[in-house]
Formats: sequence, C-alpha cells, structure tokens
Amino acid sequence: AQSVTQLGSHVSVSEGALVLLRCNYSSSVPPYLFWYVQYPNQGLQLLLKYTTGATLVKGINGFEAEFKKSETSFHLTKPSAHMSDAAEYFCAVSYNFGNEKLTFGTGTRLTIIP
Amino acid sequence: GAVVSQHPSRVICKSGTSVKIECRSLDFQATTMFWYRQFPKQSLMLMATSNEGSKATYEQGVEKDKFLINHASLTLSTLTVTSAHPEDSSFYICSARTSGMNNEQFFGPGTRLTVL
Repeated sequence: AQSVTQLGSHVSVSEGALVLLRCNYSSSVPPYLFWYVQYPNQGLQLLLKYTTGATLVKGINGFEAEFKKSETSFHLTKPSAHMSDAAEYFCAVSYNFGNEKLTFGTGTRLTIIP
Repeated sequence: GAVVSQHPSRVICKSGTSVKIECRSLDFQATTMFWYRQFPKQSLMLMATSNEGSKATYEQGVEKDKFLINHASLTLSTLTVTSAHPEDSSFYICSARTSGMNNEQFFGPGTRLTVL
C-alpha cells in the first residue's frame, strides 16, 4: 500500500522568505510523486511531478521539489514567497507501472505574512 | 490543453432528491476518469475509478448504489448522488487521464453540493 504524510497542516512564512513544505511517502514500488495546489473553492492544479530521471524537479510559479529515495521524501520549496502563493498544497503518490490511483496527503495550508 | 470542466459548479438541493454532476474532458479523450470527495479542510478521497464503456470501480466504503457513475463516452463521465442527504454535502472533484500522459491526472474545478 502507498501513503503520504505531510508534516504541518499549517505553515506561515513572511513574504520573500523561503517556503518549505514537507512530504514523506511510503510505497513498495518506485513511486510517481506529485505536488498540487488548490485555491479556495477550486480544483487542483499540478505544480510539478517526479516520474523518473532527474531527482530535482522544477515546476510552475518558481516551485521545485527533490526526490530523495533514501529519505522517502519529496519536499516542496520556493526561494522567495509571494502573497499569491497562499493556498492549500497537496502531495500525492501513485505507483509506477501504470497504476494511476493517486493517494493524497492531508494537505498543508500555506499562509504568507506581508 | 488538457482542460477538464465540471457542471454545475455549485448545487443546492433538498434532502431525498438526486443530483447529477458532469465531468468533461474538453480537448482530449479520457480513457479513465476519477471521482474524488473532499470534506472541508481535508484531503481528497478517491471514490471511484471509471473507464469508458465499463463499470466503475468503487473504493472500499463507497456505496455504489448511492453514487452512480457513468462513463458513456471518452469525454464525459457523470456522478449521480441518489436520494441525497445532508451528510452527502461536500466538494466533489473529478479528474481525467488518457493513455500516454505518464500517469498525470487533470482535475476539474469541482462541484460544491449542499443538501438541505
């Protein structure tokens, strides 16, 4: 079975500061890993994904994440937070080899302090 | 590209009535569609997976007779909440994928269901 743990249901950072949202996964086979962002009353938008290859993945809006197999982690970072980054962020995992079921973490609400 | 729409975006209904939610892939053919339910301030829970032309596969604990899913074409899936009750009030989100998209799901904007 696969699972995702997001540490910290709420994270607050000052505008311009580093954003770090943590995600650890559990998977018995090589995982596909995803970060999604959700704005209020909207669906999910893909920020970035890891499938194979380079472990440092760059996404939209200046976000990036690094797949660390030894730590079973896929933390999301952004060097400088903007007010528009305030949203809910979800980490998700699916199996490799064509299993497309996504298992989501419980989400992290990011608040940006002016 | 890869746009998924949902209709309606918001619906309010009386207890005991049925509500149909549509999920459409606008610019690609979706061989697989997924239906999720999201409670306030919680994560998305997969309800069912539907493949075009076949019966949906429901997750454990989801009542298939209550949440009817039809995936009649490669661009349309519908979720019907039958005999809705207040506890069915939630945010319902669909997603769609097609073969060759490297496991990426494209999400709809969601439907807010409120049952009075």
